[in-house]
This record gives sequence, C-alpha cells and structure tokens, in this order.
Amino acid sequence: AQSVAQPEDQVNVAEGNPLTVKCTYSVSGNPYLFWYVQYPNRGLQFLLKYITGDNLVKGSYGFEAEFNKSQTSFHLKKPSALVSDSALYFCAVIVGGSQGNLIFGKGTKLSVKP
Amino acid sequence: DGGITQSPKYLFRKEGQNVTLSCEQNLNHDAMYWYRQDPGQGLRLIYYSQIVNDFQKGDIAEGYSVSREKKESFPLTVTSAQKNPTAFYLCASSMGVGIAEAFFGQGTRLTVV
Repeated sequence: AQSVAQPEDQVNVAEGNPLTVKCTYSVSGNPYLFWYVQYPNRGLQFLLKYITGDNLVKGSYGFEAEFNKSQTSFHLKKPSALVSDSALYFCAVIVGGSQGNLIFGKGTKLSVKP
Repeated sequence: DGGITQSPKYLFRKEGQNVTLSCEQNLNHDAMYWYRQDPGQGLRLIYYSQIVNDFQKGDIAEGYSVSREKKESFPLTVTSAQKNPTAFYLCASSMGVGIAEAFFGQGTRLTVV
C-alpha cells in the first residue's frame, strides 16, 4: 500500500536557526512528492513539489526539499526559520503516471520561537 | 480573482440532520476533492471527481454523498448516517488527477450539537 510518514508530530526551532521537517514515503512506482502548509483554521497552501529532475527543489517562502530515492525521503528544509513559519506542514505523495490521488502524511507542527 | 471558495466557514448541525457543504472553484480545474481533517490524523479523502457527472469514493465515503453537475461546483452532503461528523472539511481542486498540485479552499468546520 502507498503511504507517507512524517515521523515527528512536532518540531521546535529557534528563530534564525535552520529547520528540517522529515518525510518518508512508500510507493510502488515513481513518486511525485508535495509539501503543503496549513495555518490555523485555514486550508492548505502548496509549497513545492518534486516530479522529476534535480533532486533539490525550491519552493515558496524560502523553503526547499531534497528528494532522496535511496532513503525514500523528501525532507523539507529552510536555512533560517522565522516565527511566521510556525504552522502545520503536510507531506503528500502520488504514484507517477497513475490516476491515483494524493496520499497525505499526518502532519508535523512546526513551532519557531523568537 | 481566481480561487476555490467553501461556505459556510462554520456550520452547526443537530443529530439526525443532513447538511450540505458548498465548494465552488473558478480555476477551470477538472478534478475536485473533499477531504476530512481530524486532529492528529492528517487528511483523509472522502470523494473525488475527475470530470462533470462523475465521482468516485475515497477512503472514508460512508455517510457522505456528492454531486458534480457543473465543473465549478462539488457540494458535499453529510448525512445522518455519518456517525461522527464533527470535523474540519476541506475542498480542493486540481487540473487533473496526477502531477498537478491541488488548490484548497479555506475549509468548513462542522460541529454536531
């Protein structure tokens, strides 16, 4: 079965420090990977996606993610965290070339303290 | 101003009542989706539609129904058969099922009273 795991329920980071939000996936086929962010009582906003090509993907608000096929991971990173980055982050996957739907992880709450 | 609009933002329902959540998009997207979000469980797919007049069950379709009579609209009805309907409901759309990213509405919080 296709699945996405976000092993950390919460990540705490000091403002100005680098942040990493982890995501691993399990699919039978080529994965298309996405990161979304959700602020309280709001819908999800698209941050970035990996379809093919360069393993390092750059997205909105200074975020980037690295696709690692051997480790089946797609961790979200930012060099310098802002308090305003505090939110709930979701990783999602779909099997490339399929007519399947996005499968979401359970989400990771990022808390950036001043 | 393109986007996807959900209404109402908050909805209260008495037990035993059906309620309908609205979702409208003006992005000219073919695919539309309904997700349910519960704390600590991420998003779970209720129904999706790839084209007008066609829709498919997702992982947790029991107690829900949808229609797709127009490309722009994908309303979700939460029926009295849904045992635990209190949740945050998210509608999304995309250019198609596959590599295109989904765009989400702002959500409807349904509470059973």
